Amino acid sequence: GAVVSQHPSWVICKSGTSVKIECRSLDFQATTMFWYRQFPKQSLMLMATSNEGSKATYEQGVEKDKFLINHASLTLSTLTVTSAHPEDSSFYICSARDLTSGSGSEQFFGPGTRLTVL
Amino acid sequence: GNSVTQMEGPVTLSEEAFLTINCTYTATGYPSLFWYVQYPGEGLQLLLKATKADDKGSNKGFEATYRKETTSFHLEKGSVQVSDSAVYFCALSDQAGTALIFGKGTTLSVSS
Repeated sequence: GAVVSQHPSWVICKSGTSVKIECRSLDFQATTMFWYRQFPKQSLMLMATSNEGSKATYEQGVEKDKFLINHASLTLSTLTVTSAHPEDSSFYICSARDLTSGSGSEQFFGPGTRLTVL
Repeated sequence: GNSVTQMEGPVTLSEEAFLTINCTYTATGYPSLFWYVQYPGEGLQLLLKATKADDKGSNKGFEATYRKETTSFHLEKGSVQVSDSAVYFCALSDQAGTALIFGKGTTLSVSS
């Protein structure tokens, strides 16, 4: 199946700094990418949907100025956590889909990024 | 709104035991239903899916049947292996192109 990578796989940062997480589709063009957040022993919660070349659509309760999403190309989306605080510590997961292919509704997930804010 | 409820774990079984992980959903219309698996240190992988009522998804010995009358999509396997130890997520998508709504996940631990 299609492969999605995330970088970094884990990051530790100081409170107040910004952290950028990359999500790449390695062998297909991702017309749509999704960013999820997963708390320990909890489900994945959708943060935002990004379509290539347009602004991301954020879920209710997600601060768009804090979680900046850029989907500038068909193979790369980035999530920047600005002025990170300890409560932003979490596991961030991206997924990608290619609606132009026969895979239809299937999403392909990255391995996730563990963010720890001290 | 749409939601997915799955049984809480952890589920601990011996090798070759029968597995059932319950999943029920709430949705308007006719959603597509999925089971994803997350092995330790890896990303989520699609295990199986069903797109309409009475469809049965199957893969790697796992099966789940889309039951609209009971709004359920229970995951079953007749004989689990140690390598099946992972976290299993039930999910739904109300239409093509939209994000998935996940259950909380069920951790399965299989011992030899």
